[in-house]
Amino acid sequence: NAGVTQTPKFQVLKTGQSMTLQCAQDMNHNSMYWYRQDPGMGLRLIYYSASEGTTDKGEVPNGYNVSRLNKREFSLRLESAAPSQTSVYFCASSEAVQGAYGYTFGSGTRLTVV
Amino acid sequence: ILNVEQSPQSLHVQEGDSTNFTCSFPSSNFYALHWYRWETAKSPEALFVMTLNGDEKKKGRISATLNTKEGYSYLYIKGSQPEDSATYLCASGNTGTASKLTFGTGTRLQVTL
Repeated sequence: NAGVTQTPKFQVLKTGQSMTLQCAQDMNHNSMYWYRQDPGMGLRLIYYSASEGTTDKGEVPNGYNVSRLNKREFSLRLESAAPSQTSVYFCASSEAVQGAYGYTFGSGTRLTVV
Repeated sequence: ILNVEQSPQSLHVQEGDSTNFTCSFPSSNFYALHWYRWETAKSPEALFVMTLNGDEKKKGRISATLNTKEGYSYLYIKGSQPEDSATYLCASGNTGTASKLTFGTGTRLQVTL
């Protein structure tokens, strides 16, 4: 019963470095999401994928790119990390993009950019 | 209300107390309201998803109600236990942007013996 698996759990980057956060779900969900969590703020949507082969911008997409590799996997890439991207990142999935379905979240990636 | 707002921000109760929190959300073009329970060092877990005005849902000692006309939802915990200590998040989605749930900042509940 893995659910949503995110890797890595922790990462420290230097400004300007790049990295990819990986996310995989085994629930045959159609929709996947990337959120960031910052102190004093609610979870904010970075990008989402309504179904395999589609991706769309969320509330805070600047500085990020995503790839829906297949139905199971949805990766988030930081091309040139900035200190403002220090955050906790959560991947989530749901049966469909319509909000009537609850989300299943991964355990999070704590990213620090120095 | 343009954003999802939750109150109180934090709450400290004793074991056995009953408590409730409020989530306010934009009522125009409402589609769904979610509640999540988020324990420290874990990931948020879905409690309820409600879509109809007047919906009431219950899971054990936790229940929730929904008023879509006035844009609010209440989460109730009856007889709080220490294991109920967590942050409770709500999120709303509207038609047209139903894929983009907007999350509140949560109510942090601490239950002590």
